[in-house]
Amino acid sequence: NAGVTQTPKFQVLKTGQSMTLQCAQDMNHEYMSWYRQDPGMGLRLIHYSVGAGITDQGEVPNGYNVSRSTTEDFPLRLLSAAPSQTSVYFCASSYSPASGEQFFGPGTRLTVL
Amino acid sequence: GQQLNQSPQSMFIQEGEDVSMNCTSSSIFNTWLWYKQDPGEGPVLLIALYKAGELTSNGRLTAQFGITRKDSFLNISASIPSDVGIYFCAGVTDSWGKLQFGAGTQVVVTP
Repeated sequence: NAGVTQTPKFQVLKTGQSMTLQCAQDMNHEYMSWYRQDPGMGLRLIHYSVGAGITDQGEVPNGYNVSRSTTEDFPLRLLSAAPSQTSVYFCASSYSPASGEQFFGPGTRLTVL
Repeated sequence: GQQLNQSPQSMFIQEGEDVSMNCTSSSIFNTWLWYKQDPGEGPVLLIALYKAGELTSNGRLTAQFGITRKDSFLNISASIPSDVGIYFCAGVTDSWGKLQFGAGTQVVVTP
């Protein structure tokens, strides 16, 4: 199993540009989530999904959209990038979300100029 | 929202020393977790705690779920170079498994 994969690994955007961060998992997990990691702030939940067709907002959802058309994929869209969205983004999945155990991808480092 | 205060922010230790870090919350958690993040990687679960007062070990790691359910502790014994990384505490905030993370403890091990 590849686990949780994320592409791209690095990305530089200009303010106002849009892009999609890709996330896929091959473990048949229903639960998937997106976090951003900023220095000194730990990981903060952006959006999550408890199954195909179901998504909900986390702690910091503004400026981000998600959709979940399949169990495997959970893309994160930035509609109009801002410098405040410069961060490292992690996707995670879980077979038992109530347990707290989540499997994280390797991350995407995004810089917005 | 719930706040997790994790300390210390960073630790510089010599190989062979023991490491202790802790996490406190203003609210009660029913599940506490400790994750480790290696440089350039995503976090990996080390230990999960599900019961107040629980003490759980995983090799050289020992974690405790505080009796008040508002704190947790992680100890690493006899540190080795591969212990380098950022350690995060996390609490499960609801039945959907949403996690609240602490800010992390950066551990640097020198030979």
